[in-house]
Amino acid sequence: EAQVTQNPRYLITVTGKKLTVTCSQNMNHEYMSWYRQDPGLGLRQIYYSMNVEVTDKGDVPEGYKVSRKEKRNFPLILESPSPNQTSLYFCASTRAGESYTGELFFGEGSRLTVL
Amino acid sequence: GNSVTQMEGPVTLSEEAFLTINCTYTATGYPSLFWYVQYPGEGLQLLLKATKADDKGSNKGFEATYRKETTSFHLEKGSVQVSDSAVYFCALRKPYTGNQFYFGTGTSLTVIP
Repeated sequence: EAQVTQNPRYLITVTGKKLTVTCSQNMNHEYMSWYRQDPGLGLRQIYYSMNVEVTDKGDVPEGYKVSRKEKRNFPLILESPSPNQTSLYFCASTRAGESYTGELFFGEGSRLTVL
Repeated sequence: GNSVTQMEGPVTLSEEAFLTINCTYTATGYPSLFWYVQYPGEGLQLLLKATKADDKGSNKGFEATYRKETTSFHLEKGSVQVSDSAVYFCALRKPYTGNQFYFGTGTSLTVIP
């Protein structure tokens, strides 16, 4: 089954304790992206990657890191989480290419609470 | 720049009412347009899409037509059900420029029996 898998789905942590949210897709997609969803703000893009070893900042990258060492994986790293990073996070992927017009496929979300 | 503006919510309708959620976009060229749905506690799922002007996307009784002249992609359903209660996001994909996606802020729909 084609899917984007995120882990953990739920996490409560404390300020300053490094954490990683993993994301994996099994569709051989070149493009992967992280979003956060907050009430009244919709979806905001954190980082995206066009392919292995190619990453770029989205709209709200501060406090986050990513890496793309393998095509299928795109982990989101919070080096020193703060309470304002409490949010619902989504990973997404799609094929990339000059003329490709297809949709983004989303993971089920990871709800993070930073105390 | 590229952007998507959609109708503010929340929207509350009675079962079997007609639904319209407005969506307009700003983009050069010919973006692809999408509606995503997020049911309570779940991730975003593609509801329907249209990739060129005058295309109509449809799924589960929902429809939206890609109108380039009015830069709009309004979502409609003739008779909503309680199970349609969800948050709806309009989005566009801009080809040839890094394949970036742009999302509206979402419209929450509640359907009451």
